[in-house]
Amino acid sequence: QSALTQPASVSGSPGQSITISCTGTSSDVGGYNFVSWYQQHPGKAPKLMIYEVSNRPSGVSNRFSGSKSGNTASLTISGLQAEDEADYYCSSYRSRGTLVFGGGTTVTVL
Amino acid sequence: EVQLLESGGGLVQPGGSLRLSCAASGFTFSSYSMTWVRQAPGKGLEWVSTISGSGGDTYYADSVKGRFAISRDNSRNTFDLQMNSLRAEDTAVYYCAKGGITVDGFQDWGQGTLVTVYS
Repeated sequence: QSALTQPASVSGSPGQSITISCTGTSSDVGGYNFVSWYQQHPGKAPKLMIYEVSNRPSGVSNRFSGSKSGNTASLTISGLQAEDEADYYCSSYRSRGTLVFGGGTTVTVL
Repeated sequence: EVQLLESGGGLVQPGGSLRLSCAASGFTFSSYSMTWVRQAPGKGLEWVSTISGSGGDTYYADSVKGRFAISRDNSRNTFDLQMNSLRAEDTAVYYCAKGGITVDGFQDWGQGTLVTVYS
């Protein structure tokens, strides 16, 4: 099962906005609105940031937003803060009852 | 407050078996699908297996199909992952998570348990 494609790293200065892409196929990202995004700090468990493409769980800052166009989903972090420095993973339902993660993106706050 | 606590990790030789367990509290356990996700050292997340709330439907990644079995006991609010024929590439931190592979995402996660397959 090949992973979804994410950039290895994205960086930005405090206060800026950054966008992380997550590219799949019509069998996963493009075919279903079941894309999620997770934040993971070193040595910690992942944390859900976005589910079903653009929904934020309660307690997650509204600086985090999600969208999708065709086979590519995106996570945008606005007003970048030092605490946003972490690894980010997208996931998507894939046909035949499976789920696939992206390879992960390291966000660096300059 | 949702709590998920994994147990059962450890060292095992290739070809061996291990059973992981996840104890859940703070929510109506039987109403939710539950999932195992793993992370090899220094690598990304990999979905392993999901079981429906009733236990009647199970789903597996190709990499573990036929070797791993997921199950749950709704009377005890626990779900397990029986891992057989273990390989070096199964070495990872295994997380249990609340949720299934479609709606809602994995809303809550345990802290993980380390499985090391060594020869």
